[in-house]
Amino acid sequence: NAGVTQTPKFQVLKTGQSMTLQCAQDMNHEYMSWYRQDPGMGLRLIHYSVGAGITDQGEVPNGYNVSRSTTEDFPLRLLSAAPSQTSVYFCASSPHEAGAGTDTQYFGPGTRLTVL
Amino acid sequence: LAKTTQPISMDSYEGQEVNITCSHNNIATNDYITWYQQFPSQGPRFIIQGYKTKVTNEVASLFIPADRKSSTLSLPRVSLSDTAVYYCLVGDSGGGYNKLIFGAGTRLAVHP
Repeated sequence: NAGVTQTPKFQVLKTGQSMTLQCAQDMNHEYMSWYRQDPGMGLRLIHYSVGAGITDQGEVPNGYNVSRSTTEDFPLRLLSAAPSQTSVYFCASSPHEAGAGTDTQYFGPGTRLTVL
Repeated sequence: LAKTTQPISMDSYEGQEVNITCSHNNIATNDYITWYQQFPSQGPRFIIQGYKTKVTNEVASLFIPADRKSSTLSLPRVSLSDTAVYYCLVGDSGGGYNKLIFGAGTRLAVHP
């Protein structure tokens, strides 16, 4: 298993440009999430999905769109990049096991995005 | 969602035992306590999870007192490779998706 993969590893954008961060998992997990991490801070939830065709907003969804057409893929779209979106983006997946405490999240390696 | 409080940073030396305490005064009855570890330039990695008393795995131990208002992650005989940020989270996924809240975590620096 490759686990959770993210592409690209690094990206530089100009203000106003759009792009898609890719995330894929091969563990057949129901749940997938996108987080951003700013320097010296914890992770903040952007969007999440509880299954193909189902997405919902997290703590900081503005400026980002997601879709989940398959179980494996969960791309994150930046519609019009802004300097405030400079951050490291992590994708995660988890198998939902109700009654087993919190679902263990498996994180990808991250995408470091800089918006000029 | 319950909020957690943990020290911003800690220092230790190789071979020592490290204990990181997390406060979660408003923990709910169904909440579990989970710890993640994050190395520089990597995503967080699950370490251990518990509900009450003590849990031990090959990496760490988790001590939870009876009132569950705090918990302590114990790392035995740390090495330089244990230098990382450690996050304490509380939550429950019984009702569906669990929105985990990652605070700033505790930065552990292990020195030679």
